Amino acid sequence: DAKTTQPTSMDCAEGRAANLPCNHSTISGNEYVYWYRQIHSQGPQYIIHGLKNNETNEMASLIITEDRKSSTLILPHATLRDTAVYYCIVTQREYGNKLVFGAGTILRVKS
Amino acid sequence: GAVVSQHPSRVICKSGTSVKIECRSLDFQATTMFWYRQFPKQSLMLMATSNEGSKATYEQGVEKDKFLINHASLTLSTLTVTSAHPEDSSFYICSAKQGGGGYTFGSGTRLTVV
Repeated sequence: DAKTTQPTSMDCAEGRAANLPCNHSTISGNEYVYWYRQIHSQGPQYIIHGLKNNETNEMASLIITEDRKSSTLILPHATLRDTAVYYCIVTQREYGNKLVFGAGTILRVKS
Repeated sequence: GAVVSQHPSRVICKSGTSVKIECRSLDFQATTMFWYRQFPKQSLMLMATSNEGSKATYEQGVEKDKFLINHASLTLSTLTVTSAHPEDSSFYICSAKQGGGGYTFGSGTRLTVV
């Protein structure tokens, strides 16, 4: 599986957009980009995933560069409840493939 | 959406005893389940992949005789920590995958060995 690089931590003001970057320069053509987050002492929560097109759902938007070597997760209006560790993972979306977690980004939303 | 139930959420056991953790997919059939362990202030570490009806595949460095995994049905996988020691105290998390679908995580089990 391709590896990802994320900043260790980021701060964001409540109500503002949080933009979390992720580098995955060795991603291969059939690998998807997944984003999960983990709030303290809970299981990871799915946020969004994509292959090459930008994606949006009720939680966030995912912007993937044209060369697919990096992506950005956007939380449009961050709240205090969005404070969590955010994980960017690339993996093949096929039967049985595993999610391998890196260190992630600690996002702190401040009032 | 898909829901994975993990039980118990917390368990305290004596050193030398065994503990079983259950992971159930409530509204879908999970052909593959994964088990992770997480120590404080660290990321999730994949321990093993279990496929229904076959033996689990363990990650390098994970003792298969200590961490017994059973995936007897499409909705249930269990992890048994045998002869637990204080260093096995950790947060254990399961994940279930629907065929070509996404990954859903359980809420985790906090194991404390005393």
